[in-house]
Amino acid sequence: AAGVIQSPRHLIKEKRETATLKCYPIPRHDTVYWYQQGPGQDPQFLISFYEKMQSDKGSIPDRFSAQQFSDYHSELNMSSLELGDSALYFCASSLGTSRGNTEAFFGQGTRLTVV
Amino acid sequence: DAKTTQPTSMDCAEGRAANLPCNHSTISGNEYVYWYRQIHSQGPQYIIHGLKNNETNEMASLIITEDRKSSTLILPHATLRDTAVYYCIVRVLGSGNTPLVFGKGTRLSVIA
Repeated sequence: AAGVIQSPRHLIKEKRETATLKCYPIPRHDTVYWYQQGPGQDPQFLISFYEKMQSDKGSIPDRFSAQQFSDYHSELNMSSLELGDSALYFCASSLGTSRGNTEAFFGQGTRLTVV
Repeated sequence: DAKTTQPTSMDCAEGRAANLPCNHSTISGNEYVYWYRQIHSQGPQYIIHGLKNNETNEMASLIITEDRKSSTLILPHATLRDTAVYYCIVRVLGSGNTPLVFGKGTRLSVIA
């Protein structure tokens, strides 16, 4: 079965550069969630989208922005990168809960290293 | 803020049942209990969820107390591949697309 696809899997950027992470949800899933997991930390919710509209907002820095496109894929844009942004970034997708019970499935993550 | 409390770590012998407890004393009537696990640096993996009845699937069983203030995830025959961090999460369904909020999970070590 198709899973959540994230690209790239690894990314190295320098401080103050920008980065774009991409997430392709499971087919027919309309909701995308982004998470950040620092070294030794638990996943922290950043932001989510449902039907191309922002749904919930967590601890996403102002330097980050995200959107969901018409084909339901999502991109997380990160600007003015800092060393502390080095982390694993996970994307998850699900069907909207208003459509019934559903669990969220996670991708394998993008490992971002800021040097 | 996470609404659950779990032990920081647990050990389990291979082949034995692993029982992972979770306290969620402030759970609301419309909140489900979800369990996910994360094997080293991989994406979190869904295990099971429930509202008030006990649930079982091919991976695990979920036992929820009658007052719903706590639950136990049971892996009936733990293997080395079950070594992971296990997260208990309460989540509202039916009122939008609520995200999963991860707290401090339990690091389960399955020992040969």
